[in-house]
Amino acid sequence: AAGVIQSPRHLIKEKRETATLKCYPIPRHDTVYWYQQGPGQDPQFLISFYEKMQSDKGSIPDRFSAQQFSDYHSELNMSSLELGDSALYFCASSLGVGNQPQHFGDGTRLSIL
Amino acid sequence: AQTVTQSQPEMSVQEAETVTLSCTYDTSESDYYLFWYKQPPSRQMILVIRQEAYKQQNATENRFSVNFQKAAKSFSLKISDSQLGDAAMYFCAYRSTQGGSEKLVFGKGTKLTVNP
Repeated sequence: AAGVIQSPRHLIKEKRETATLKCYPIPRHDTVYWYQQGPGQDPQFLISFYEKMQSDKGSIPDRFSAQQFSDYHSELNMSSLELGDSALYFCASSLGVGNQPQHFGDGTRLSIL
Repeated sequence: AQTVTQSQPEMSVQEAETVTLSCTYDTSESDYYLFWYKQPPSRQMILVIRQEAYKQQNATENRFSVNFQKAAKSFSLKISDSQLGDAAMYFCAYRSTQGGSEKLVFGKGTKLTVNP
C-alpha cells in the first residue's frame, strides 16, 4: 500500500540558510500534519492542513511557513535556520478528521551546521 | 491543554514474555482518541493500536492490547509473546475530537529492549 512520501530524506544546511521540506500524503488523504522531533524528544506538532486550508497551528516558529497544494501535497518552508532547528521532521496524513488515524512518513532529517 | 505522561523511560523484557507499558493523560474532554505508536531505530513512526474513548471495550491488535481505564485516565499497552522486532521507542498519544484540534499530543516515550 502507498505510504506518506517525504523528501528529501536527509538535508544539511548552514545557519541562516533556507530549507523546503516536501510531503506527499497517501492517495485520497486530504489532511496533512507536520511534526518536529528533536534528538531524544517526542514529536511536537507544528501545523496541519485540511482541504488546503490551515486547520490547526502548534509551536511553529514565525520563520517557518507551510501550505497544502491543490494535489494535497504539502511543503514546509524554513528560513533563517538556527542550530536548534536540527531535528527529524515528520509529515503525517489522514483521510479527513475524526477517528481516522494519522499515518506517518519516514521523516526528513535536517542538520544545521 | 492535554498532557500525556509515560512514567517509564526504559523497559526491558525477555523474548516470548509479556510486558506492559504505562501511559496516563490529563484532559477535561469526554470524547477523544488514544494511540500507541512504535518508533524503531529506523525512525519510522508506526501506528500500533488505537482506542476511542467512548468505546469501553479494550482494543486488540494481534499480540498488542490495551488496558483503557477512562476514569483513571490510564491507557497501558500490553505486548504478549515479545519478539526481537518489538524493540523500539513506544509513544503514547492523545488526540482531541474537537474540530480544528486534531493534532497528536505525545508522551516522552518508553524505550523497550527485548532480550534474547
